Amino acid sequence: DAGVIQSPRHEVTEMGQEVTLRCKPISGHNSLFWYRQTMMRGLELLIYFNNNVPIDDSGMPEDRFSAKMPNASFSTLKIQPSEPRDSAVYFCASSLHNSPLHFGNGTRLTVT
Amino acid sequence: SQQGEEDPQALSIQEGENATMNCSYKTSINNLQWYRQNSGRGLVHLILIRSNEREKHSGRLRVTLDTSKKSSSLLITASRAADTASYFCAVETSGSRLTFGEGTQLTVNP
Repeated sequence: DAGVIQSPRHEVTEMGQEVTLRCKPISGHNSLFWYRQTMMRGLELLIYFNNNVPIDDSGMPEDRFSAKMPNASFSTLKIQPSEPRDSAVYFCASSLHNSPLHFGNGTRLTVT
Repeated sequence: SQQGEEDPQALSIQEGENATMNCSYKTSINNLQWYRQNSGRGLVHLILIRSNEREKHSGRLRVTLDTSKKSSSLLITASRAADTASYFCAVETSGSRLTFGEGTQLTVNP
């Protein structure tokens, strides 16, 4: 199994641009999580899905952030418009029936 | 302050020594998990201990859980340079929400 796959690995964009981060969970996993990691705030849960349905999006910081999971094998996290304070490493993780999380290697986002 | 606070923030030891990291939390939990993160990589699950368990072993790892004190410890025995990483505890609360602490940076010197 290739594990959780995230793309791109690095993204550099200018303030105001739209950013889309992508995630392919492990096949057969039914839960998907988006986390953001910064030095100041650590790991923050943004949103998680169960069977493709958003369950808890209370961690999504603002309306500029949106996440979708159109099917069991793909999810996106979109930021529009992006701001410098969105700079962070964004992780996607998946799990099966609340078993431990399997993380991707993250997308390092830099907004200038 | 957030759930799953680790202590110490940083730990530097010599190869062969044991490393102990502690985690405290505030609310009732379903389970507590420890993860490891190497620089530039995602987190990797190490061990899970349920709220009705007190101790668990996995290879050189030993985890304890004291629900009365709302604390856990992770012991790595006979440390190796390859154990150098950040270690995070995470607590699962109701609704399957997993909340991570800020981590302990462990450095094992050869």
